[in-house]
Amino acid sequence: GENVGLHLPTLSVQEGDNSIINCAYSNSASDYFIWYKQESGKGPQFIIDIRSNMDKRQGQRVTVLLNKTVKHLSLQIAATQPGDSAVYFCAEILNTGGFKTIFGAGTRLFVKA
Amino acid sequence: NAGVTQTPKFQVLKTGQSMTLQCAQDMNHNSMYWYRQDPGMGLRLIYYSASEGTTDKGEVPNGYNVSRLNKREFSLRLESAAPSQTSVYFCACRFGGGDTGELFFGEGSRLTVL
Repeated sequence: GENVGLHLPTLSVQEGDNSIINCAYSNSASDYFIWYKQESGKGPQFIIDIRSNMDKRQGQRVTVLLNKTVKHLSLQIAATQPGDSAVYFCAEILNTGGFKTIFGAGTRLFVKA
Repeated sequence: NAGVTQTPKFQVLKTGQSMTLQCAQDMNHNSMYWYRQDPGMGLRLIYYSASEGTTDKGEVPNGYNVSRLNKREFSLRLESAAPSQTSVYFCACRFGGGDTGELFFGEGSRLTVL
C-alpha cells in the first residue's frame, strides 16, 4: 500500500553534532524521493532529493542516503545548528496518472545549544 | 514574486457552514495541490490538479471540492464544514511534466470548525 513513515518521531541533538533522520517507505515502484523541512508556522520547504538510480546525494551540510533493498531513506545533517530545529518529512512521488507526493508523518528535530 | 499565496490564514467556522480557501501561484507551474496537516501526522493529499482544466482526488477528498480556475488559481471548498475538518490546509504547486521536482508550499490556512 501507500505508506511512507519515520522510525523516530523526535530527535534531540547537541549543537555541532551530526543528525540522522530515518524514513521507511513501502512503495517499491517509487523512484524519486524528497526531504522537506517545516519550520513552525510555515509550509514545508525542499531540502534535497534523490532518484532511485542513486544511493547517495550530497547538498550543503545535508546528505540523503537511499537503500532500495530495505526501502529506507535517511537524511544526515552535518554540524547541526539551532536553525535546523524543525520537523523533517520524507516524501515519495507516485505516478498514478498524475504525480502525487506522499508524505511520511515527520520527525521533530530539537537542537540543544 | 510571492510564490504561493493562500487566503485566509485563519478561519473559524460553525458546523454546517461553507467556505472556500483560495490559492494563487505566480510561478507559472502546471500542477497544484491541496493538503491537510493534522497533529502528529504528515500532510495528506486532498485534491490535485495536474494541469489547468483537470482535477483529481487524493487520499482524503470526502467533504471537499476544488476548482482550477485558471493556471494560477486553485480553490478548495468545504460545502458543509464538520469538526473533523479542523486542520491546517496547505496549497502547493509544482512545475509538473514528470516525476521530478519539488512542491512549493504556501504558508497555510488554519481552519477551526466548532
